[in-house]
Amino acid sequence: DSGVTQTPKHLITATGQRVTLRCSPRSGDLSVYWYQQSLDQGLQFLIQYYNGEERAKGNILERFSAQQFPDLHSELNLSSLELGDSALYFCASSVGAETNYGYTFGSGTRLTVV
Amino acid sequence: AQTVTQSQPEMSVQEAETVTLSCTYDTSESDYYLFWYKQPPSRQMILVIRQEAYKQQNATENRFSVNFQKAAKSFSLKISDSQLGDAAMYFCAYNGNSGYALNFGKGTSLLVTP
Repeated sequence: DSGVTQTPKHLITATGQRVTLRCSPRSGDLSVYWYQQSLDQGLQFLIQYYNGEERAKGNILERFSAQQFPDLHSELNLSSLELGDSALYFCASSVGAETNYGYTFGSGTRLTVV
Repeated sequence: AQTVTQSQPEMSVQEAETVTLSCTYDTSESDYYLFWYKQPPSRQMILVIRQEAYKQQNATENRFSVNFQKAAKSFSLKISDSQLGDAAMYFCAYNGNSGYALNFGKGTSLLVTP
């Protein structure tokens, strides 16, 4: 157990729907990162939050949004889902805003859009 | 953005033997950090080893070591005395001073045969 908790582990939904993925960072970590892992694109950085504020944005689609709450857990909202959004979504956390020491990853949420 | 290239999609090694996984990266920065992550079938991303670019000494973690060639922008991972549990996807990652997130390569799938 890495200490980073992601729920749900698996999610199957239909095209056009909206889903919310949840992440609780490791105790003491203030930064949360979201990544999308697909076979053709590899691991793509989506967005980072640090202590409740958006810190960095990567290749995140406009249909996707995220937030970090006062208790530091984070949610990734995916809307108007398309077949191509099927992927493994990872959350990771780190103590500070910088990533010099790497992240601790959660076990991911497998999203299947049908 | 810095690119990370892993030119070996798949590698195979026999148990107890040594294998080297290749990684090259493109950057204009002089100070940065490099990482190797392991993703076993459980899909959990696990940090294997970390290297600071300003340190000339190659990082070592038990059976895992790196060959960091800064001028060549090369960062290979050597696994000694390979074990069946080493079978996984291995990802090389880069983090520079101007970046907030880890930038990952496409990964190398390592098969360990008895």
